[in-house]
Amino acid sequence: DTEVTQTPKHLVMGMTNKKSLKCEQHMGHRAMYWYKQKAKKPPELMFVYSYEKLSINESVPSRFSPECPNSSLLNLHLHALQPEDSALYLCASSQQRRGNQETQYFGPGTRLLVL
Amino acid sequence: AQSVSQHNHHVILSEAASLELGCNYSYGGTVNLFWYVQYPGQHLQLLLKYFSGDPLVKGIKGFEAEFIKSKFSFNLRKPSVQWSDTAEYFCAVNPYGGSQGNLIFGKGTKLSVKP
Repeated sequence: DTEVTQTPKHLVMGMTNKKSLKCEQHMGHRAMYWYKQKAKKPPELMFVYSYEKLSINESVPSRFSPECPNSSLLNLHLHALQPEDSALYLCASSQQRRGNQETQYFGPGTRLLVL
Repeated sequence: AQSVSQHNHHVILSEAASLELGCNYSYGGTVNLFWYVQYPGQHLQLLLKYFSGDPLVKGIKGFEAEFIKSKFSFNLRKPSVQWSDTAEYFCAVNPYGGSQGNLIFGKGTKLSVKP
C-alpha cells in the first residue's frame, strides 16, 4: 500500500480566514513533505519533517505553518493567505532509510483557491 | 545550481507511436533518478526509479528509462503509446547525500496521444 491521503480535496478561503490542510499515511514512513504546485509548473518543496521534527523550511512565508502531530499525520495551517498562494498543495512521504535511497509517494493534493 | 531539464514542453503522438522524453540534470555527483506521471486530475504517481545497478530500468505500464552517466541523462521511453498515456511527465533528481527531501523536478512534459 503506497497511499497518502489528503483532505480536503478542494478549499476556497478568504484572505482573513484560518484553515488547515491535512495529510495522512500509514506506510510507516518517517519523512513527510509539503510541496506547492502552481498550474503547469513542477512541484516546489516547502517543508520536510523527519521523525516528526521540521528539518527543512524552504524559506516559506510564516502565513504557512506546518505541524507534525505524530509519524502518520502532517498538517499545514494557513492564515492570512494571498491570492497568489492559490495552488495545488501536495503531501508526500518516504521511508527515511539509510543511504538516502528515498522514494517519495505523493497524495492527491488539496486544490486551494484564495479569494 | 542543481537543475533538471526536460527538453520537450509538449509532445503530441498518435497511438502506437514510440515515445522518448528527454531529461538531463546538472548535478555531478551520484544521483537518484525518478520519473513521475500526473494524469489529468490525478496525483503524481511514480513510474520508475534508478538508484544503482543496471542503468536500464523498467517501470509500470510498459515504460522504461536509461541512465547514461556520461551524458547526465535519464530519458524515458515507451515502444508504443496508448491514448491512456496522455498525461504530464516529470523527471526528478535527488542528489545523493543532498539535504533530505531535496527532490528537484524538471518543468514537465505534457504528452498528448491522439486515438
